[in-house]
Amino acid sequence: GAVVSQHPSRVICKSGTSVKIECRSLDFQATTMFWYRQFPKQSLMLMATSNEGSKATYEQGVEKDKFLINHASLTLSTLTVTSAHPEDSSFYICSARGQGAVGELFFGEGSRLTVL
Amino acid sequence: SQKIEQNSEALNIQEGKTATLTCNYTNYSPAYLQWYRQDPGRGPVFLLLIRENEKEKRKERLKVTFDTTLKQSLFHITASQPADSATYLCAPSGNTGKLIFGQGTTLQVKP
Repeated sequence: GAVVSQHPSRVICKSGTSVKIECRSLDFQATTMFWYRQFPKQSLMLMATSNEGSKATYEQGVEKDKFLINHASLTLSTLTVTSAHPEDSSFYICSARGQGAVGELFFGEGSRLTVL
Repeated sequence: SQKIEQNSEALNIQEGKTATLTCNYTNYSPAYLQWYRQDPGRGPVFLLLIRENEKEKRKERLKVTFDTTLKQSLFHITASQPADSATYLCAPSGNTGKLIFGQGTTLQVKP
């Protein structure tokens, strides 16, 4: 099956710093990638939809200036958490879909962010 | 607003029994519905997709039903095994491409 790689898997940073998380589709071209956030014992919350070569579409309530998403190629999307604060500590997961608008999503392994 | 409901209480069953998980949705009409499995600290893994014109779909020990009148999907695991213990997420979706997930039901299969 298709593989989505996410890096780093764990990151600890100080409050006020920025953190970049990378999401790569290893064996397929991902025209669309999705970024989710998951708090402990809660479900995945969709943050934004990232389309290659265009601006990301953010879900209601998600600050686009705080969570910068870049999808510069068909195999790479990045999420940058800017000026991170302890409340941003969470599990961030990316997913990718190949061609077509429907069908299964392939998820990365997630990145656990801890902001001190 | 759109709402997806899965039983938030954990489901505990004995090995060999059939596990049945429920997904109910309100205020929209999804064109298809997907089920995923998530293990602790991992990303979800796709299991099955069923379209609105399909009543039932099977894959090995898994079976999914989709009742658009009741706005409900049932997910069955037959001959359950301890390795089936995980959280199962449903995602009823339209043709926008994005998936919104329910809160998931945690299944615990005891040997």
